[in-house]
Amino acid sequence: QKEVEQNSGPLSVPEGAIASLNCTYSDRGSQSFFWYRQYSGKSPELIMFIYSNGDKEDGRFTAQLNKASQYVSLLIRDSQPSDSATYLCAVPNGQNFVFGPGTRLSVLP
Amino acid sequence: EADIYQTPRYLVIGTGKKITLECSQTMGHDKMYWYQQDPGMELHLIHYSYGVNSTEKGDLSSESTVSRIRTEHFPLTLESARPSHTSQYLCASSEQKHIYNEQFFGPGTRLTVL
Repeated sequence: QKEVEQNSGPLSVPEGAIASLNCTYSDRGSQSFFWYRQYSGKSPELIMFIYSNGDKEDGRFTAQLNKASQYVSLLIRDSQPSDSATYLCAVPNGQNFVFGPGTRLSVLP
Repeated sequence: EADIYQTPRYLVIGTGKKITLECSQTMGHDKMYWYQQDPGMELHLIHYSYGVNSTEKGDLSSESTVSRIRTEHFPLTLESARPSHTSQYLCASSEQKHIYNEQFFGPGTRLTVL
């Protein structure tokens, strides 16, 4: 069974700062990685996916993948209070996904 | 925006009642999933399906059952609801595309069993 680990938080950052969210995974054969955002009481929504080593940028979001270290991170630049949510890291496991426990981010105005 | 729907959105019901949570998607996805999530807690996979007439149990033991008679429809049934079934139930679907196989989530059903 693949494992995906994340710090549960809460991670608190001031508005305008960079928030850094981390995820480690157990299966060296994992090829693709997904970051979902989940607001309280809502369902998860995909914000980024990455399958190549290095960085992938989309607006204020950057995903970073290091397969050798089995580590994927999500950076949120210029954090806004609206970014306050739980961020889930997910790794495909055959036909399913393994979701991490999520990191709760709080952006303080 | 994902075209995946769940009804009801909220349900309060008494112990012992039979309930069915509905999930439908219009994207033609073969794969569908049910997750259970308590507030502030992890997602737990309880059932999944690879296509019509295919259903499997997930990682979390559940007293619910599912069926997949049509591609677009994946209902979840509890024969006799108990307070321990109180939770949020999330339905999702996906289509395998190379190594990019995003899961789209429905809005969820929040179930309270009294």
